[in-house]
Amino acid sequence: ETGVTQSPTHLIKTRGQQVTLRCSSQSGHNTVSWYQQALGQGPQFIFQYYREEENGRGNFPPRFSGLQFPNYSSELNVNALELDDSALYLCASSSVAGGPSNEQFFGPGTRLTVL
Amino acid sequence: GENVEQHPSTLSVQEGDSAVIKCTYSDSASNYFPWYKQELGKGPQLIIDIRSNVGEKKDQRIAVTLNKTAKHFSLHITETQPEDSAVYFCAALTGFQKLVFGTGTRLLVSP
Repeated sequence: ETGVTQSPTHLIKTRGQQVTLRCSSQSGHNTVSWYQQALGQGPQFIFQYYREEENGRGNFPPRFSGLQFPNYSSELNVNALELDDSALYLCASSSVAGGPSNEQFFGPGTRLTVL
Repeated sequence: GENVEQHPSTLSVQEGDSAVIKCTYSDSASNYFPWYKQELGKGPQLIIDIRSNVGEKKDQRIAVTLNKTAKHFSLHITETQPEDSAVYFCAALTGFQKLVFGTGTRLLVSP
């Protein structure tokens, strides 16, 4: 069974640029959630995708957007990067027949630095 | 809004001692409470979870207790080992499968 994978591992961008982060869900999982983890803090929910649709969103501005593909992999896009966007971005996958499950399994994360 | 408080923020124990981390949640509709262990440079790893229909769950040296009336849940680690050293996060599932995390506890187990 393949776990959750994310790419790239590290990324450095400058303020105002755009970034795309990628996530492959665990085998058999159909739901992907994205979280932002600032240094020294707990992860904060950005949004969740189920059946290629956004299934809920946290308190993040519209410049944070996402996609889910038919193979359940997902992308997180952030436009107009700000210094405060520097964080570890985590993807978590989950699944149960008929809808999202409770257990969420995290990938290793992408460390984004905005200069 | 939903909130999870976690204490202590740091915890130092000697190898073989027990460690207890406590969390309080605000959303009375929450019904699922996972605990994650995060090592440096890695993503959070699910170590144990509990659902609202049970009061306690145990897995080898790790146990979790839940008091729904008081909205408290706790992680108990017995016979701690140096490899237990990490940051531990509690979380509560709210609304549409959204996990709300505590602020984390840095556990240091000294040999």
